[in-house]
Amino acid sequence: DAGVIQSPRHEVTEMGQEVTLRCKPISGHDYLFWYRQTMMRGLELLIYFNNNVPIDDSGMPEDRFSAKMPNASFSTLKIQPSEPRDSAVYFCASSRRQGFNNEKLFFGSGTQLSVL
Amino acid sequence: RKEVEQDPGPFNVPEGATVAFNCTYSNSASQSFFWYRQDCRKEPKLLMSVYSSGNEDGRFTAQLNRASQYISLLIRDSKLSDSATYLCVVNKAAGNKLTFGGGTRVLVKP
Repeated sequence: DAGVIQSPRHEVTEMGQEVTLRCKPISGHDYLFWYRQTMMRGLELLIYFNNNVPIDDSGMPEDRFSAKMPNASFSTLKIQPSEPRDSAVYFCASSRRQGFNNEKLFFGSGTQLSVL
Repeated sequence: RKEVEQDPGPFNVPEGATVAFNCTYSNSASQSFFWYRQDCRKEPKLLMSVYSSGNEDGRFTAQLNRASQYISLLIRDSKLSDSATYLCVVNKAAGNKLTFGGGTRVLVKP
């Protein structure tokens, strides 16, 4: 089975440009998560969806960030306009909740974003 | 205070030795606990869940101490392939919102 698929793997852009990151979760998974990882702050949850509905976006740093999940097999994270401090690895993950002790997250390979 | 805290390391471990490290969490209502492993420039992957009574998975042993609010991971007979960053993960309460610690880096050397 295919795992979580993210694209692009690497993105280099200039400050002020719009960036769109894409994610295809594992089929049948009800939850989708967007994380950001930096050396300074570690892995931070930005937003997560349940059955395509955003449940908690309290981790989204500011209005420049937006995320959508138009259907069960696709999600996007958009940054507009991008800034150098947005440079990080962005991970998408999905899971199928099976109870409190069984929330295994499956991560995609991540998108390495560099904003110059 | 961070919700989930870990010693960043690195822990330099001779091959074949035992290494152990802890992770503390601040929310006493936390309900489930995990260790994830992350190799350099790779995505995190689940290593093992942590159960109240403690559990083993091969050379790995995880413990939970609810009174002191920490979990631990012990690796016996360390292999070079155990070199990685180990992320402590806590589910605070109801829902599916996991919080990751900053990770503990382990370097196993010949």
